[in-house]
Amino acid sequence: KNQVEQSPQSLIILEGKNCTLQCNYTVSPFSNLRWYKQDTGRGPVSLTIMTFSENTKSNGRYTATLDADTKQSSLHITASQLSDSASYICVVSDRGSTLGRLYFGRGTQLTVWP
Amino acid sequence: EADIYQTPRYLVIGTGKKITLECSQTMGHDKMYWYQQDPGMELHLIHYSYGVNSTEKGDLSSESTVSRIRTEHFPLTLESARPSHTSQYLCASSEPRGQGANVLTFGAGSRLTVL
Repeated sequence: KNQVEQSPQSLIILEGKNCTLQCNYTVSPFSNLRWYKQDTGRGPVSLTIMTFSENTKSNGRYTATLDADTKQSSLHITASQLSDSASYICVVSDRGSTLGRLYFGRGTQLTVWP
Repeated sequence: EADIYQTPRYLVIGTGKKITLECSQTMGHDKMYWYQQDPGMELHLIHYSYGVNSTEKGDLSSESTVSRIRTEHFPLTLESARPSHTSQYLCASSEPRGQGANVLTFGAGSRLTVL
């Protein structure tokens, strides 16, 4: 069964600290993996997208890594800010169809305290 | 900046009412999607469209219907709302960037509460 599991479910950190969010998947065949940020009451916004051949990609203070062999990805947030408080969703796409079916994780709820 | 718009953002209605959630995008994307999201849960695909006059049901069984008469417009309709339809509904669109990319652009969502 194709699945995407994220950990931790929730995380609280102090402003200025770093944190790492995890994503493990069993989706096969694999096409790409994306990380989205979803603010409360808003739609998800794409942070990064990585294909099979990419093992790291940065977007400002966000750095995503991908290990396609172990089927693991992480999202590292550096020098956290209050505006980083959001749900971070890992999404994996397969190559099994023209649509490129997407498998969503349940997200990690990050709270940044001042 | 949002190029995909959903209305209404919030809706509270009584059981049995007919509702339509609107979704419009200005990017000229061929593919559009409706997802349902409950708190703490993953997004579930309920409908999608490859283009005008194309609509398909997604993974999650839904009593809603959709139409795609124009590229930019993809409304979702519930003929008779029930409390079990209470949820957040997210519209998205995409255009392939490279092989299989299908990066989604989401709207802000419509929060539906059925009493």
